[in-house]
Formats: sequence, C-alpha cells, structure tokens
Amino acid sequence: ETGVTQTPRHLVMGMTNKKSLKCEQHLGHNAMYWYKQSAKKPLELMFVYSLEERVENNSVPSRFSPECPNSSHLFLHLHTLQPEDSALYLCASSHLGSGRLSYNEQFFGPGTRLTVL
Amino acid sequence: QKEVEQNSGPLSVPEGAIASLNCTYSDRGSQSFFWYRQYSGKSPELIMFIYSNGDKEDGRFTAQLNKASQYVSLLIRDSQPSDSATYLCAVNPGGTSYGKLTFGQGTILTVHP
Repeated sequence: ETGVTQTPRHLVMGMTNKKSLKCEQHLGHNAMYWYKQSAKKPLELMFVYSLEERVENNSVPSRFSPECPNSSHLFLHLHTLQPEDSALYLCASSHLGSGRLSYNEQFFGPGTRLTVL
Repeated sequence: QKEVEQNSGPLSVPEGAIASLNCTYSDRGSQSFFWYRQYSGKSPELIMFIYSNGDKEDGRFTAQLNKASQYVSLLIRDSQPSDSATYLCAVNPGGTSYGKLTFGQGTILTVHP
C-alpha cells in the first residue's frame, strides 16, 4: 500500500447505527486530519492529530469521535448520525516540522462516501 | 468576509489555451499556499505549493504569489481536456496552527476540445 488509504469507500447507515471509518498513512508523516466535504461547501477541517495528540477539534458534534492509536492510523467513530451528516469524509496526512517553517503539504486519501438514512 | 475566496466558475477555456485561476485570502500572516486538483468523485490531489513571493513553475503549471495583495494564482499552460476538474486553493497560517489548512470553495475548470 502506498500513500493514504481509507476504508470503507462507501458506507450507508441508519441514524441509530454505530460505524467506524479507518485511515492509514504509509508516508511516514506525523500529523493526520479528518475533513468533511459536502456539496457546494468548502472542505471543512474536523480534527487534527499531531504526534498522536488531538490538537484541533473544530466544533464538531460529539456524535463524531476520533481516535489515533499511533502515527499511522486514524479512526472516526460514528454514532446516532443525522441525514445532514451525509458527505465525503476525507483523511489526510502531512509532516509538521519542529523548529523550522513547515509548509504542511497535506496528502489525501480517497475518502469515504457516507450516506445517512 | 470569507477567509479564502475563489471564483466558483465555471471557467471554460479551449484546448491549448492558458487557464488562469485566482485566489485571495484574508489572513495577512499566512505562510504557505497550495493548489489542489479534484476530479469529480475523487479526493483532492496536491499539484503545487508556494511560500515565497513571485512565481514557481512545475511543468505546465505556474503558481504566483503576491503577499502584499494577499493573492495567489495558478496558471495552466497548454490546457488539456484532462485538466477539467475543480481546483482548490488552500492556505496555511503557519506558526502554531498545527497544520490547519483553510480551503476555498474551488473553481470548476472546463477545457473544451
């Protein structure tokens, strides 16, 4: 595997279901991100993990729960979602430098297309 | 005021022409700037980044940055139908922002034969 991978690629769930999205990066990066992309709206940053510590939670509802067990893996646990949560969920990774300017080139996985019924 | 603003288009150019995509940003302290290409149904793909004023060229792509005017652009020379996609501008505030990128809404580019 190369780059950033995400599973599943498509997910349909009911409002009472619990599911998880998985992301894995093979780039040796130290930061990982979850984004939400809805139609007609800019990419929205949800969470940032740097060195496995969550450093950004962009006012995301608690029905989304991230987990980062190590620098290569990132999960997004979903429960009691709403139909308006239907979107493309993208994982990205980058290298954040220390003690110098980091340009933060982020590389995206293929995304999970989520539909909430 | 939007933090990162792009003309949503669609921008239509003939094959072989130069496509010019523009982006303005509001945070004067922003340090690095990115252009992503996103085909329909796919994820964003990084094509260029720039952090110094001036031009940066990579093949048919040239990124231009003017920090005084808070403006960044992407030129695509010899446009091909395969360049038809949505182009996303993203801005990194830098510093202790922990990698936060702010994206524009994207410009839809159509290159017609």
